[in-house]
Amino acid sequence: QVQLQESGPGLVKASQTLSLTCTVSGGSISSGNYYWTWIRQHPGKGLEWIGYIYYTGSTFSNPSLKSRLTISVDTSKNQFSLNLSSVTAADTAVYYCASLAYYSGSGSYYMDYWGRGTLVTVSS
Amino acid sequence: SSEVTQDPAVSVALGQTVRITCQGDSLRSYYASWYQQKPGQAPLLVIYGRDKRPSGIPDRFSCSNSGNTASLTITGAQAEDEADYYCNSRDSSGYVVFGGGTKLTVL
Repeated sequence: QVQLQESGPGLVKASQTLSLTCTVSGGSISSGNYYWTWIRQHPGKGLEWIGYIYYTGSTFSNPSLKSRLTISVDTSKNQFSLNLSSVTAADTAVYYCASLAYYSGSGSYYMDYWGRGTLVTVSS
Repeated sequence: SSEVTQDPAVSVALGQTVRITCQGDSLRSYYASWYQQKPGQAPLLVIYGRDKRPSGIPDRFSCSNSGNTASLTITGAQAEDEADYYCNSRDSSGYVVFGGGTKLTVL
């Protein structure tokens, strides 16, 4: 069973870059079965998709974050990472990594494995 | 991107049946997936595709689709089903979209 674990600083200063890593275990990030995804949840709010990466390095991002966002993959370490630049208090959230799969040729998505999430607070 | 919308809150009496709905144009073309989130926990996939349940999800959870609406049904709601439920789909461009979530209260 695939397991995901987020890691990174829990406190980032405003205007700096938020950097998180998701380590995948129980399966290969290069299996081709998943798009490796970042999602965040502002305190007391709903889920917001950030973006995803395929093991080949191909990425797809939320247009609202794209200008500040870099998602990368390190297949040798079975990890993928998130860099979000020029952060503000509005980027304070719990950040989750997850595995996104396609359902049976329909083009529909689902996310079957999730990390526990990590709270990142942006301080002024 | 195309949005999907959910009712903010729904309540159900213990042991009764409740339906949580998700509406959006993208649902005419793509299946919704549904996630349960309890306080302090990560979301948990409960339904995906055409009424598929991951291993370990009770069969009281089911879903249906009609037009632009996807519905998650809990038949015989239990106290442990009290949680926030999120639907998720995609739009034609491939963007991932989430509903705003429905808080389910089991009375």
